[in-house]
Amino acid sequence: DGGITQSPKYLFRKEGQNVTLSCEQNLNHDAMYWYRQDPGQGLRLIYYSQIVNDFQKGDIAEGYSVSREKKESFPLTVTSAQKNPTAFYLCASKRTGREYYNEQFFGPGTRLTVL
Amino acid sequence: QKEVEQNSGPLSVPEGAIASLNCTYSDRGSQSFFWYRQYSGKSPELIMSIYSNGDKEDGRFTAQLNKASQYVSLLIRDSQPSDSATYLCAVNAHYGQNFVFGPGTRLSVLP
Repeated sequence: DGGITQSPKYLFRKEGQNVTLSCEQNLNHDAMYWYRQDPGQGLRLIYYSQIVNDFQKGDIAEGYSVSREKKESFPLTVTSAQKNPTAFYLCASKRTGREYYNEQFFGPGTRLTVL
Repeated sequence: QKEVEQNSGPLSVPEGAIASLNCTYSDRGSQSFFWYRQYSGKSPELIMSIYSNGDKEDGRFTAQLNKASQYVSLLIRDSQPSDSATYLCAVNAHYGQNFVFGPGTRLSVLP
């Protein structure tokens, strides 16, 4: 059963802690993305990766880090430098190549709360 | 800065009516356009993609694209209460690069 999985579904963090959000896909997609969504807001891009061992900063990368050691996995670390990390975090992936296959699909999300 | 704008709503329509959702974008180089549906507390679900000018129909959904006017819309025919959700418009300038999302329009279909 192909898809994108994210874990955990809910995560609570104390101030000053780093936490890592998992994202795995078995769709054989090359590109993967991390977005943040705040209540009543649209999606803002944190990082994206189009190929293994390469990634690019999005609009709000400060306080976050990523790695892309495997095609299937794109974990996001929320560091203590991120001042307001409470949000809904969404991972997405898509094929690269022909324009007609440019569709991006989302995982179920991780809701992070800072205590 | 590349922008995608949507009326935040809420847009309320009676059951069985046509719901019309609109989106404008600023980057004339945009080539791919998408509509996502997001239920409260859930992740976005892709419902339509459109790449060329004109209409694209899929069941009760029709996407309309006008690149000259930098405008994309989504029509939902025979609206059902289960269509009540936030609809996100997304635009991609070139394949392989990042997407820009609008803030979403909240749709409420009244029984």
